[in-house]
Amino acid sequence: EDQVTQSPEALRLQEGESSSLNCSYTVSGLRGLFWYRQDPGKGPEFLFTLYSAGEEKEKERLKATLTKKESFLHITAPKPEDSATYLCAVRSNRDDKIIFGKGTRLHILP
Amino acid sequence: DGGITQSPKYLFRKEGQNVTLSCEQNLNHDAMYWYRQDPGQGLRLIYYSQIVNDFQKGDIAEGYSVSREKKESFPLTVTSAQKNPTAFYLCASSIRRESNQPQHFGDGTRLSIL
Repeated sequence: EDQVTQSPEALRLQEGESSSLNCSYTVSGLRGLFWYRQDPGKGPEFLFTLYSAGEEKEKERLKATLTKKESFLHITAPKPEDSATYLCAVRSNRDDKIIFGKGTRLHILP
Repeated sequence: DGGITQSPKYLFRKEGQNVTLSCEQNLNHDAMYWYRQDPGQGLRLIYYSQIVNDFQKGDIAEGYSVSREKKESFPLTVTSAQKNPTAFYLCASSIRRESNQPQHFGDGTRLSIL
């Protein structure tokens, strides 16, 4: 069964303290992996798409990487405005479905 | 600005009542989707539509209905048959379902029971 698991569930960091969020996936053929940011009471905002192992994408303090089993969202020197829930989703070759993980709640303390 | 507009932001349902959530997009996307988000769970697909006048059930379609009479609009009706409707409902769209382009989301409607 296709599955997406995000860890940790929640993460508290001091401002400037770099860290990584993990998205592990099991799918029968990966068509694409998507990262979103979601603020409280808002819809998810698209960040990155990764298509194949070894691919990397960057945007400001965020960098997403992809292997054959997992993706990491690296946050370098985060600021309080980076606080949000980060969602990972994968698209499978089998039935073209998109499966979302439960998200990681990130809180950056000033 | 192109985007997805959901309304209302908050909605309250009485026992036995049907309510309709609005979703409009001006991105010229063919595919539209409805998801339900509950605390501690991933987004779950309710219905999707790939083209006008066509829609398919997702994983949790029971107690919900949709229509797609216009490309821009994909309203969701939460019927009285949905016994646990309290959730955050998200509408999304993408260029085409089979393309590998990301989905873009509206800002959601929070539905509660009176």
